[in-house]
Amino acid sequence: QKEVEQNSGPLSVPEGAIASLNCTYSDRGSQSFFWYRQYSGKSPELIMSIYSNGDKEDGRFTAQLNKASQYVSLLIRDSQPSDSATYLCAGRNNQGGKLIFGQGTELSVKP
Amino acid sequence: EAQVTQNPRYLITVTGKKLTVTCSQNMNHEYMSWYRQDPGLGLRQIYYSMNVEVTDKGDVPEGYKVSRKEKRNFPLILESPSPNQTSLYFCASSIVIDHYEQYFGPGTRLTVT
Repeated sequence: QKEVEQNSGPLSVPEGAIASLNCTYSDRGSQSFFWYRQYSGKSPELIMSIYSNGDKEDGRFTAQLNKASQYVSLLIRDSQPSDSATYLCAGRNNQGGKLIFGQGTELSVKP
Repeated sequence: EAQVTQNPRYLITVTGKKLTVTCSQNMNHEYMSWYRQDPGLGLRQIYYSMNVEVTDKGDVPEGYKVSRKEKRNFPLILESPSPNQTSLYFCASSIVIDHYEQYFGPGTRLTVT
């Protein structure tokens, strides 16, 4: 079992809809979680970080963390074609500097 | 402009010819890391450094070396590259406060023939 797992997709949503991206993790010691967006041929770009149970909102993005169930999600409201990218979930154990990435979910927003 | 830079951006080389990929950051970050990204395997951590002169192995360190003699620089060294090291490489850095939010360089596409 991979330490951080995501559905590879592709996930296709119409413009204006809510895109829901999910991630599960196996290491209960993981304390910090990150969502990165990666456009084709570009480097990952940090869009959200979350450390506590519950929701964290930033503009059209909401990250959700449930440590009991060991999942992290990212909601993108009012999805735009420019949101089409691969979204990477990553988790970090508070014991050291390792950051473990999931395989990424490809999101396609159709006009 | 705050950034992580990598050089070269593209490199084609032959098996066994030593090479170095440089990484530099201008944000005074303590933490730096190298990743490789391969189709179907995602981003995998090669090495990381919590500060000057402190380095640790990530998940895939075999065939790579790193050094951290200065805070801003973290070069990745391939002593004897092999075709299975053909990949897209990213350097990243972060400030070491609580959660290590990492910022990535533009990537180096390496092909070993």
